[in-house]
Amino acid sequence: DAGITQSPRHKVTETGTPVTLRCHQTENHRYMYWYRQDPGHGLRLIHYSYGVKDTDKGEVSDGYSVSRSKTEDFLLTLESATSSQTSVYFCAIRGPPYIENSNQPQHFGDGTRLSIL
Amino acid sequence: AQSVSQHNHHVILSEAASLELGCNYSYGGTVNLFWYVQYPGQHLQLLLKYFSGDPLVKGIKGFEAEFIKSKFSFNLRKPSVQWSDTAEYFCAFSPWGGSYIPTFGRGTSLIVHP
Repeated sequence: DAGITQSPRHKVTETGTPVTLRCHQTENHRYMYWYRQDPGHGLRLIHYSYGVKDTDKGEVSDGYSVSRSKTEDFLLTLESATSSQTSVYFCAIRGPPYIENSNQPQHFGDGTRLSIL
Repeated sequence: AQSVSQHNHHVILSEAASLELGCNYSYGGTVNLFWYVQYPGQHLQLLLKYFSGDPLVKGIKGFEAEFIKSKFSFNLRKPSVQWSDTAEYFCAFSPWGGSYIPTFGRGTSLIVHP
């Protein structure tokens, strides 16, 4: 399996609190992604990154921000968590690094189960 | 807009039955195609992929998929399912040589009864 670590694996928090999820990779892959998975919706892209300090929005980015200050780390922040953000969050990476027109598949982390009460 | 349609949301089979899960994508150009599997409580794992060449691709655990360009389809098949194939299956594609943002279908939940 690809070297992807998500932390924490489980978190319960209250509405209105800030939450940060971390994705750490050891593969030196260029692309990193944050998805949320909800029943009936499959996987929905929140944000993605195509390099250090280079990020862009996905289809469900409202209420989320990201940062990537190092190749290996991609952080997802919920500035003020709401109950609608209760979900399972997956990080994914895609490589190999810095080769254009790469046709490599994504590799996924184990997920973070986030409950907002 | 790019999209992936997985026609079967829930499939229930008995062991040894044959499986075919439908997947159609909406995009006018050349694509890379993927099937992922997610076992209960786990992350998504790659089952198989198609980039070019033989449109019939074989993946892990006896799965295969056939790309039919004229139908924009990439259906997943397995001749004889096992209880351990119980999982959620996702079809995805990305435009060839361009976007690195795959588009996923909503998934098909497969339950195999022993």
